[in-house]
Order: sequence, then structure tokens, then C-alpha cells
Amino acid sequence: AQTVTQSQPEMSVQEAETVTLSCTYDTSESDYYLFWYKQPPSRQMILVIRQEAYKQQNATENRFSVNFQKAAKSFSLKISDSQLGDAAMYFCAYKEGAQKLVFGQGTRLTINP
Amino acid sequence: NAGVTQTPKFRILKIGQSMTLQCTQDMNHNYMYWYRQDPGMGLKLIYYSVGAGITDKGEVPNGYNVSRSTTEDFPLRLELAAPSQTSVYFCASSIDRGYSYNSPLHFGNGTRLTVT
Repeated sequence: AQTVTQSQPEMSVQEAETVTLSCTYDTSESDYYLFWYKQPPSRQMILVIRQEAYKQQNATENRFSVNFQKAAKSFSLKISDSQLGDAAMYFCAYKEGAQKLVFGQGTRLTINP
Repeated sequence: NAGVTQTPKFRILKIGQSMTLQCTQDMNHNYMYWYRQDPGMGLKLIYYSVGAGITDKGEVPNGYNVSRSTTEDFPLRLELAAPSQTSVYFCASSIDRGYSYNSPLHFGNGTRLTVT
């Protein structure tokens, strides 16, 4: 079964600095999707960024970018110029051709003003 | 556009009681999902549906049942509540399998359930 591991239960960063959240996954498939979701205190899950495994180029969405290392099965999220509104739980998730989405344990990100 | 609506927001059940968590979406999405989130853990898929009349088990289906009689509604039924079912439950929907930025996975705001 596919697994997703986030080894950092908590991270903190000073406002305006850069932080990287780690994620590793295990799969035998070659075609799949990877996601980072943000869950603020409201508990709504918000899609931050996604990466298709067949694309070699790392995805970027404004201040959010990923470092996708397919061979190493690593998918880290970099948040640049951290803002107070970035404080949340961040979940890494994996999905292959079927409908099932597998989530990691989450990383709680704190932004220090 | 309300998106995905879950009710109730909070509920306390006694062991052995039954209840239904309601989920409705107004985006005409075919795909709907139920997840549970235990403290400090990621979401685990309970059941999912790819369209009206079609449901399938996820990772942790035991103790739950679902139905999908319409595209809009996907209720989750707990028949004999147990303390192990204390969790936060999320309903979600998507237009297709692709999870693009234009059609991502839409989550409801969650239901916090406590079984004592």
C-alpha cells in the first residue's frame, strides 16, 4: 500500500523568512499526483500546490514551490516570504489513477512575528 | 455557491447510539468522499463514491455505511457508535479524478464527533 510520511510534526519560522516542509512517499507506480494541502484552524482543506509525477519541472504557485525528487520519492514544500496567514497544518498527499487520496500525518507550521 | 456542506458541526454520542452525518454539494461533482482525521494524524478514507448509486470502501470502512441516491448527497451512517470512532469527519467532492487547480478536491468544514 502507498504510504506518505511527514517527519516534522511541527515547524516554526520567522515572518518573511523561508521554510521547507518535508514529505516522502512510497509507491511502485510511475504515474501519480502529489499534493500539498493547508488546513487552517477553520479545518477547511485548501489545495496549495500539486505536482504530476510525469513532469520533471517543479511546480510553483506564487510563494509556494516544491522540490520533487522522483527517484528519491521526496516531495518537499518551500514557502518563501512567510506570512502570518500561512500558519496552519500542512498535509502532503499522494494519488494515483484510482480515486483514493493518501495523506501524511501533517506538519503544524507556526509563523513568528 | 455553498460548495460542500456538512451537518452537524459537533455531536456527542453515547456508545451504541446511531447517527447520520450529512454531506451535500452543489457543484454537480460525481466524486464524493468521507475521511476521518484523528488527532495528530492525516486523513483516512472511509468510503467514496464515483457517482449516484455507486459506492466503495476506503481504508477504514468498518463501523460505517454510506449511500449515494443523488449526485448531491452522500450521507455517512454510524450504526453502533464506539469510542474508537471519536474523530473529525470530513466530506469532500471533486469533479473528476484529475485534481487540477480548476477542479481540486473540495472539503467541507468537518464534523467533530465524540463517542463516550
